[in-house]
Formats: sequence, C-alpha cells, structure tokens
Amino acid sequence: AQRVTQPEKLLSVFKGAPVELKCNYSYSGSPELFWYVQYSRQRLQLLLRHISRESIKGFTADLNKGETSFHLKKPFAQEEDSAMYYCALGAAGNKLTFGGGTRVLVKP
Amino acid sequence: ETGVTQSPTHLIKTRGQQVTLRCSSQSGHNTVSWYQQALGQGPQFIFQYYREEENGRGNFPPRFSGLQFPNYSSELNVNALELDDSALYLCASSTQGSSYEQYFGPGTRLTVT
Repeated sequence: AQRVTQPEKLLSVFKGAPVELKCNYSYSGSPELFWYVQYSRQRLQLLLRHISRESIKGFTADLNKGETSFHLKKPFAQEEDSAMYYCALGAAGNKLTFGGGTRVLVKP
Repeated sequence: ETGVTQSPTHLIKTRGQQVTLRCSSQSGHNTVSWYQQALGQGPQFIFQYYREEENGRGNFPPRFSGLQFPNYSSELNVNALELDDSALYLCASSTQGSSYEQYFGPGTRLTVT
C-alpha cells in the first residue's frame, strides 16, 4: 500500500525567506510524485510533477528515491505563496494518494 | 474551455439516507475520479471512472458507488449514510493518458446529522 506523509501541518515564514515543505512516501513500485496547491477560495490545482523537473512559480521539488522524499522548496517566499500544499503519489495508473497537507503562511 | 463543475455545493442529510452527487468533467477529459476530504485531512481516493466503467477503487465500502455517462459526466452515490460520511467530496477529471494530472471541481460539502 502507498502512503504519503507531510509532517508539518503549518509553516510560517517571512516574505523573502526560504521555505521547504517536507514530503515522505512509501511505495513498493516506481512512484510518480506531485505537488498540488489550493489558494484561498480556489480549487485544488496541480503545481508541479517530478517527471517534468520544472520550476513553477519559483518552486522546485526533487525526488530522492533513497530517502523516499519529495520535498518542495522555494528560495524566496512571497505573500502570494500562502496556501495549502498537498504532496501526492500516483500509483496503479489511476490512483492519487494525498498527504495530509501543509498550510504555508507567508508573513509580510 | 469549461472547468469541472459539481452539484450541489452543499447539502444536509440524515443518517441512513441516500445521496447522489454530480460532476461534469472538463471539456476534452474522459476520466473522472472522486475523492473524500474530511476536515483537516488530504483528499482520499474513492474511485475512478473511464469509459463508463470503474477503473480503480480506494478503500471504501460498496455503499459508495458511481456512474459515468457517455458525455463523461459522473455521479457518486452513497447509501445508508453514516455520520463519518460528512466531508467535502471532490471530483476531478483528466485524460486517461495523463490520469495523474487532474483538474478538480470546487467540491460538494455533505453534512450527515
């Protein structure tokens, strides 16, 4: 069975400071990892996926299979980054397993 | 391009009753997934529908069932409602080739009393 763990429920940082959201997973197969984000009063949306190795809105995430982690990082947080972030694991071709989420609050 | 829509936005039911939630997929998407999100938790996969058939199921009892129609819209039915069924129900659509890149609807808030 697959599991995704986000150990921090809340991350509070000042504008301009680095932010890192932790995500650990357990899965016996070859995982596909994603970060989804939900801004205030908006619907859940895909932020980035590990296979594309892209930077979206300044965020990057590296899949570390040895540590079974997929942490999300941004060197300089902005106030508009305040949102709920979910790490998700794709398995069996169709099932997304989400972590419990981390709320990020960027203070001015 | 029309996004994913869900109806109703919220409803209140009594324990033991049955409920049907509806979802219209985004234009061009042929796959619909349903999730249950309890307060303070991440979405939990219920099942997925592709070509009008169930294409994967999470750890939910049979009283959770669904349908997909030829226009790719979908319904989630829950029988014999329990208090723990109170949650936000999310629908997400995708193309089968990119089924992890899912586009979510706003959700239906179900309260069971």
